[in-house]
Amino acid sequence: LAKTTQPISMDSYEGQEVNITCSHNNIATNDYITWYQQFPSQGPRFIIQGYKTKVTNEVASLFIPADRKSSTLSLPRVSLSDTAVYYCLVGVSGNTGKLIFGQGTTLQVKP
Amino acid sequence: GAGVSQSPRYKVAKRGQDVALRCDPISGHVSLFWYQQALGQGPEFLTYFQNEAQLDKSGLPSDRFFAERPEGSVSTLKIQRTQQEDSAVYLCASSPGHLTDTQYFGPGTRLTVL
Repeated sequence: LAKTTQPISMDSYEGQEVNITCSHNNIATNDYITWYQQFPSQGPRFIIQGYKTKVTNEVASLFIPADRKSSTLSLPRVSLSDTAVYYCLVGVSGNTGKLIFGQGTTLQVKP
Repeated sequence: GAGVSQSPRYKVAKRGQDVALRCDPISGHVSLFWYQQALGQGPEFLTYFQNEAQLDKSGLPSDRFFAERPEGSVSTLKIQRTQQEDSAVYLCASSPGHLTDTQYFGPGTRLTVL
């Protein structure tokens, strides 16, 4: 399972675009990249998943360069309600699909 | 439709007591996972069920932890003789059944052992 590295914390202001980059140098050919979001007192929530290039949904965009050794989660025009922990996950573990979470990036959005 | 629900949301136990935590997955979901999340850390895998079969329990920290899903739907995580180090949030997640399916998490049960 590919090890991921992401910043421990980030600060931003309302209305700004936030980019969180995750490094995964030993990503395998078949691995997808998935991001989860976790608000205080809630379970993690799936945000977006991609394999290469760019994926966009109603919540975020995910940019993956050609070598796939990193990925960037982009949140457009953040609001206070985007304050949360964001986890980058790569691949699935074993034959069960269990998720291996790192420490995540704590995003604090200020007014 | 309804998401994953867990009960109780909060549980306080005295050291040495037994506790039981319940998870109601999304109806029809084959896969069910339990995770443990310590304060300030990401969730850590405990155990996995495919229908009623417990196929992976490699993450259970000791033999005091036991999980079951007898009819392939509701699951219970039981902790015997609780210790202070068991204090954490216990998260349940379910998915339709394929390895890369999105996992849907419940709100968790916060267990505090005094």
